[in-house]
Amino acid sequence: DVKVTQSSRYLVKRTGEKVFLECVQDMDHENMFWYRQDPGLGLRLIYFSYDVKMKEKGDIPEGYSVSREKKERFSLILESASTNQTSMYLCASSLFGPGQENTEAFFGQGTRLTVV
Amino acid sequence: AQTVTQSQPEMSVQEAETVTLSCTYDTSESDYYLFWYKQPPSRQMILVIRQEAYKQQNATENRFSVNFQKAAKSFSLKISDSQLGDAAMYFCAYRVIQGAQKLVFGQGTRLTINP
Repeated sequence: DVKVTQSSRYLVKRTGEKVFLECVQDMDHENMFWYRQDPGLGLRLIYFSYDVKMKEKGDIPEGYSVSREKKERFSLILESASTNQTSMYLCASSLFGPGQENTEAFFGQGTRLTVV
Repeated sequence: AQTVTQSQPEMSVQEAETVTLSCTYDTSESDYYLFWYKQPPSRQMILVIRQEAYKQQNATENRFSVNFQKAAKSFSLKISDSQLGDAAMYFCAYRVIQGAQKLVFGQGTRLTINP
């Protein structure tokens, strides 16, 4: 089974801290994504990556950066955490390519981040 | 930009009954994929069903089926014989065939199953 593992299920950080959310996948997927989930807003894409060292901004990249030094690992960085970044963060991965068999995205169990 | 809209924040259904969740989307692309994902209280997102836009036939997976209306840009999910384990958040999502392979999600519908 594909496994996407996020390093923490719950995290509490202080305003101004630098926060790292880690995501690791074990199926050699090219694509990796970070989403933020808020009630009534669904999932919104923060950043995604389709290859090592490649990254593209999603819909809400402000206040975030990412790092992908190895194919299996995609890190989300909050440079200076703020209370409005309190949210659920979901990591996902998928194969690259147009075929239907490549379309399924596999998700981690989410990190609920609280910034106080 | 592509958008996905789920207009029903919450739905409820009696166990063993049928329920339909609505989803509309906006795109200028002619071919794309549509998905329904389920997120139970465990928070693990699970793919329920997918549909490729060029295929006329509506996708089905056991008790789950879709009503895909391409001209109307509508993609509803029907759950038959609802079970307690179907209680979850359901998200509709869209993805283009080529180019950036990101998923665009709707706002979600929370489905409650009444015993």
